[in-house]
Amino acid sequence: GEEVAQTPKHLVRGEGQKAKLYCAPIKGHSYVFWYQQVLKNEFKFLISFQNENVFDETGMPKERFSAKCLPNSPCSLEIQATKLEDSAVYFCASSQSGTKGYGYTFGSGTRLTVV
Amino acid sequence: GENVEQHPSTLSVQEGDSAVIKCTYSDSASNYFPWYKQELGKGPQLIIDIRSNVGEKKDQRIAVTLNKTAKHFSLHITETQPEDSAVYFCAAWRFRSAGTYKYIFGTGTRLKVLA
Repeated sequence: GEEVAQTPKHLVRGEGQKAKLYCAPIKGHSYVFWYQQVLKNEFKFLISFQNENVFDETGMPKERFSAKCLPNSPCSLEIQATKLEDSAVYFCASSQSGTKGYGYTFGSGTRLTVV
Repeated sequence: GENVEQHPSTLSVQEGDSAVIKCTYSDSASNYFPWYKQELGKGPQLIIDIRSNVGEKKDQRIAVTLNKTAKHFSLHITETQPEDSAVYFCAAWRFRSAGTYKYIFGTGTRLKVLA
């Protein structure tokens, strides 16, 4: 399809619980990106994939965050032992290229609330 | 480090007036500059982009100008309408080496078009 599908739209977790977010990129887009958007609207880059391979993971807090993009499955972002500061909107985006500047197509986001 | 400064953070204009948002980037090797519009509760949507070999690009009421020497680029919206009200983000992009490319986003401008 022509849109990036993110599920769920909203997720509420108690502190210490696990959260898992999903993203189906646009067909034909081989690059997937995850961003975290917090209250001040700033985008924090987390991780990117080229197909199922990690392309850039310099933004990932590795001790609790993990991500995968497996063939024929939605990509996923998992947060183990959530903390209050993980509350944010998580956006997934896909792009057709990683070696030339191309616009991203963003999903509508997953709002994670940690209580 | 690399950063993109965006100004103003909020902008209110009367319907029909023009709006201008400016971004300054630090990495002189940046070569692709997209603008995104984010409406409430939605993901960012690409509205226009420009590459470093072009000085200006226009699409109906929206235009982007790039000054490579000064390292800044601007979004111009003419004849603003209430539906232009949103948060606008600029971004700068460069490809450095395998696994280390990503966008650097500006901090966003909240545009309000007053009817």
